[in-house]
Amino acid sequence: DAGITQSPRYKITETGRQVTLMCHQTWSHSYMFWYRQDLGHGLRLIYYSAAADITDKGEVPDGYVVSRSKTENFPLTLESATRSQTSVYFCASSLDKDYGYTFGSGTRLTVV
Amino acid sequence: GESVGLHLPTLSVQEGDNSIINCAYSNSASDYFIWYKQESGKGPQFIIDIRSNMDKRQGQRVTVLLNKTVKHLSLQIAATQPGDSAVYFCAETSSGAGSYQLTFGKGTKLSVIP
Repeated sequence: DAGITQSPRYKITETGRQVTLMCHQTWSHSYMFWYRQDLGHGLRLIYYSAAADITDKGEVPDGYVVSRSKTENFPLTLESATRSQTSVYFCASSLDKDYGYTFGSGTRLTVV
Repeated sequence: GESVGLHLPTLSVQEGDNSIINCAYSNSASDYFIWYKQESGKGPQFIIDIRSNMDKRQGQRVTVLLNKTVKHLSLQIAATQPGDSAVYFCAETSSGAGSYQLTFGKGTKLSVIP
């Protein structure tokens, strides 16, 4: 199906483990984004990408790594998960920079 | 489900009444604004957008008003329905060179009373 999909939907991992959250979009949108959503903080930008092989830091990038070897995929990796990274993670894509984003359904990550 | 509604401003509206959700922004360079709706356990969903060369834009049952003088944005929902219950976020960005990040407000929880 066309759209933007995130996987897994739910994930529980242990402190110190590496975990990768996947994001795939079928529109060939140039721009892709990763946000985390926490109570009291709203949506905060982690990383974004303007095109394949172009990524840049957002507001809260520490502890995260991204890559974008293909336009349609934008995985987010937590290199060594910490409890403070327990959150709901949303991926989004956009046709252009000043255009409405379309969000995925989110991944709820719990770090124990 | 996702408990994003905690600690958020809440607006309770009777079914059938009109709702007005407000948002203040601080960046005078912002020239593109979007309203999103987020239901429990789901991702934000695009509702309507407006650019700074407009003061008002209408969609289906929704109207966005932009007052650049006081940096204020509002979302009006006509004939509010139970399905409108959700958290509503405004977002802003500047289309200037190198700027392609949306900044989101904290959100307002809309509760519709049947």
